[in-house]
Amino acid sequence: GDSVTQMEGPVTLSEEAFLTINCTYTATGYPSLFWYVQYPGEGLQLLLKATKADDKGSNKGFEATYRKETTSFHLEKGSVQVSDSAVYFCALSDSWGKFQFGAGTQVVVTP
Amino acid sequence: DVKVTQSSRYLVKRTGEKVFLECVQDMDHENMFWYRQDPGLGLRLIYFSYDVKMKEKGDIPEGYSVSREKKERFSLILESASTNQTSMYLCASRPYKGSSYEQYFGPGTRLTVT
Repeated sequence: GDSVTQMEGPVTLSEEAFLTINCTYTATGYPSLFWYVQYPGEGLQLLLKATKADDKGSNKGFEATYRKETTSFHLEKGSVQVSDSAVYFCALSDSWGKFQFGAGTQVVVTP
Repeated sequence: DVKVTQSSRYLVKRTGEKVFLECVQDMDHENMFWYRQDPGLGLRLIYFSYDVKMKEKGDIPEGYSVSREKKERFSLILESASTNQTSMYLCASRPYKGSSYEQYFGPGTRLTVT
């Protein structure tokens, strides 16, 4: 079945550092790919998405490119802030709209 | 803005009790979902519903049931709560079934079963 694998955390960074969170997927067909963010005590919020190969999703300085050849959707941000401390989830949606989520990666940004 | 609300943020129940978790969305979405979230396991799908009065089992339906009598409301029922059902429960909704539509999440209910 479909699955998503993302790097384990916690990832600890200093403010203004570069952030990468790796995400790879296994899927039949042509899934859409998503990054969600969860701040402490809250539900998940959509951060960005890409619906076909080579699409780049971007939002709030975060970017991810849908790479079909490497089955990857790595999340990047050039300069993180303390307010980016959260748990990040990579997810895919199959053609029926069923989602599979990765285990989540906690990111801690220190001043 | 889409709003998904859940009836409680925190809930403490005793083993063997019947537990109801309610979820309401205000954007006329067709699809609704219940997940549980546990550390290191991500989100696991319990049940989902593509339309009113329809329900489908997800990956971990054992010990749970659902009800969707109205389009905006999707209830998760723990028939006889057990300690291994202590978890964070997240409800989500989505406009339609296609792969490109994102899900919108509620704030979650942290359930503790003692």
